[in-house]
Amino acid sequence: QVQLVQSGAEVKKPGASVKVSCKATGYIFTNHYFHWVRQAPGQGLDFMGIINPNDGSTTYAQKFQGRFTMTRDTSTTTIYMEVSSLRSEDTAVYYCAREYDGSVDYWGQGTLVTVSS
Amino acid sequence: DIQMTQSPSSLSASVGGRVTITCRASQVIGTDLAWFQQKPGKAPKSLIYAASTLQRGVPSKFSGSGSGTDFTLTISSLQPEDFATYYCQQYNNFPPTFGQGTKLEI
Repeated sequence: QVQLVQSGAEVKKPGASVKVSCKATGYIFTNHYFHWVRQAPGQGLDFMGIINPNDGSTTYAQKFQGRFTMTRDTSTTTIYMEVSSLRSEDTAVYYCAREYDGSVDYWGQGTLVTVSS
Repeated sequence: DIQMTQSPSSLSASVGGRVTITCRASQVIGTDLAWFQQKPGKAPKSLIYAASTLQRGVPSKFSGSGSGTDFTLTISSLQPEDFATYYCQQYNNFPPTFGQGTKLEI
């Protein structure tokens, strides 16, 4: 069965970097794009960007251009979201999701990133 | 970016009842509309895509309709596990954008 399993919670200081992983199993990894979605505490869902696992090409929402980097490793069927120069406002749960027919069908369980001095 | 507006922001309902949530897009999106359910502390769950197509395994008590700019999600025979926050999302234009959410409470 399809599963997206994300890495565990992180606590980082302002200015540091964090790299969240999302391992996909149960289907052919390169058959579906991936989305990253962020949810700040008590807030709604915010689309970050999309990655093509075939060639690693990426497209970011304008709000998430610059400090955010999506990558993939086809050998381990894992995608990554790295956030650099962390700020307090980056404190959020980060979700990966598999694209299906333009929308998304499966979601990872989420990774809480806390930025605090 | 396309703005998605859900109404109401919250609503109360009873077990066994039926509710309808509305989602309006700021421009025409055809039927490129999805609905998600999120429970506290959990990841969103995909319910519907293409405005009215149920995701695999989603019970038929959930139904979606609409096209263009106006969409609805209807949930019938409410059960305790249905009380959650529901989000719509358009994926017709990049970036995909979500509504602000509708909290369904008992």
